[in-house]
Amino acid sequence: DTAVSQTPKYLVTQMGNDKSIKCEQNLGHDTMYWYKQDSKKFLKIMFSYNNKELIINETVPNRFSPKSPDKAHLNLHINSLELGDSAVYFCASSQDWTGNTGELFFGEGSRLTVL
Amino acid sequence: AQSVTQLGSHVSVSEGALVLLRCNYSSSVPPYLFWYVQYPNQGLQLLLKYTTGATLVKGINGFEAEFKKSETSFHLTKPSAHMSDAAEYFCAVSENNFNKFYFGSGTKLNVKP
Repeated sequence: DTAVSQTPKYLVTQMGNDKSIKCEQNLGHDTMYWYKQDSKKFLKIMFSYNNKELIINETVPNRFSPKSPDKAHLNLHINSLELGDSAVYFCASSQDWTGNTGELFFGEGSRLTVL
Repeated sequence: AQSVTQLGSHVSVSEGALVLLRCNYSSSVPPYLFWYVQYPNQGLQLLLKYTTGATLVKGINGFEAEFKKSETSFHLTKPSAHMSDAAEYFCAVSENNFNKFYFGSGTKLNVKP
């Protein structure tokens, strides 16, 4: 009964393709995130949604487009994939936006390899 | 601007030895501080956190960390390492009332038998 689940776990694709990663949380949380972990293990926030509303949009190429159809789902679509997009993408959720609980719940990651 | 520095990308200890993983941060406001652990092919899990109150916080699996404001540090310790502690450990900081986390680059802990 996974709390934060993301699919697919592994994705291998060619440069120039478009791909999506899906994320769902069953914790009843209001806030969801996408993080990118590069080859040096640096975790960097990309986007955050609170109750389907975009609240954090870091400096990310506009080839990356998040979509939150409801507060339990946050999907990530990537257009025109580039070699530098190869990374592990983590979805996470937190109870709310206020930071009072201070805990992120992470999915297991989606490893994207662009050839 | 906030940042997190973890000294030592790899730390190796013998089973039963003290574990010390270092974390220093910079923050313009009183920070919330966290340690997360990542086991292979898994997402990150919260080990412990400091928000307010007692500066020595205890977490799961026998880990603890102490917030030292004067040193801007939040080092993670465990008195006696176990083989199951082998993992990657991430220190993180966030500002009060914002769920924007800044992570360090991680420290990989290796435990030798």
